[in-house]
Amino acid sequence: AQKVTQAQTEISVVEKEDVTLDCVYETRDTTYYLFWYKQPPSGELVFLIRRNSFDEQNEISGRYSWNFQKSTSSFNFTITASQVVDSAVYFCALSLPGTYKYIFGTGTRLKVLA
Amino acid sequence: SAVISQKPSRDICQRGTSLTIQCQVDSQVTMMFWYRQQPGQSLTLIATANQGSEATYESGFVIDKFPISRPNLTFSTLTVSNMSPEDSSIYLCSVQRQNTGELFFGEGSRLTVL
Repeated sequence: AQKVTQAQTEISVVEKEDVTLDCVYETRDTTYYLFWYKQPPSGELVFLIRRNSFDEQNEISGRYSWNFQKSTSSFNFTITASQVVDSAVYFCALSLPGTYKYIFGTGTRLKVLA
Repeated sequence: SAVISQKPSRDICQRGTSLTIQCQVDSQVTMMFWYRQQPGQSLTLIATANQGSEATYESGFVIDKFPISRPNLTFSTLTVSNMSPEDSSIYLCSVQRQNTGELFFGEGSRLTVL
């Protein structure tokens, strides 16, 4: 069975600090996809990134970066120089190819204080 | 990315009543998904709606409680029947991008049952 763990329930940082959101996953499959979604206070889920299991290259997109390490089954998300607008709940998720089922983590609530 | 519109965005309902949530997608899709997010919780898949066939429900969800319609390839409805306070949640409609697999979500319908 697959599982996604986001151990950090809530994190508070001061604006301009860097923050890393942890995601640990479990699956016996060798091919899988990992995702991060952002849910701001308005409620909609915004897709941030998709990574497949064969691509361990780290990715950077502006102030966002993702560190995928198969050796530790982790897919961590770092926000550099955080801003108040980054305040949201962030979900990590896992899915298997050929299926439509996503396994979501419990989410990490990030509060960025001005 | 698909544009997904949900109505209502929020509602306050009385115990014992039913509410129908509508989901409109700006392109034709084979499968539409309905998720529930209880307060402070992660997302749970309720059912998958295919056009022209009965919806497929996940464990713990039944058609009598959550009837779903899928009259065409761009529209679906989810009804929450005989509501109780435990049904207070955000209900999210989503579709999956065919070639890359990421889910796109509507804005969600925030229901409060008194």
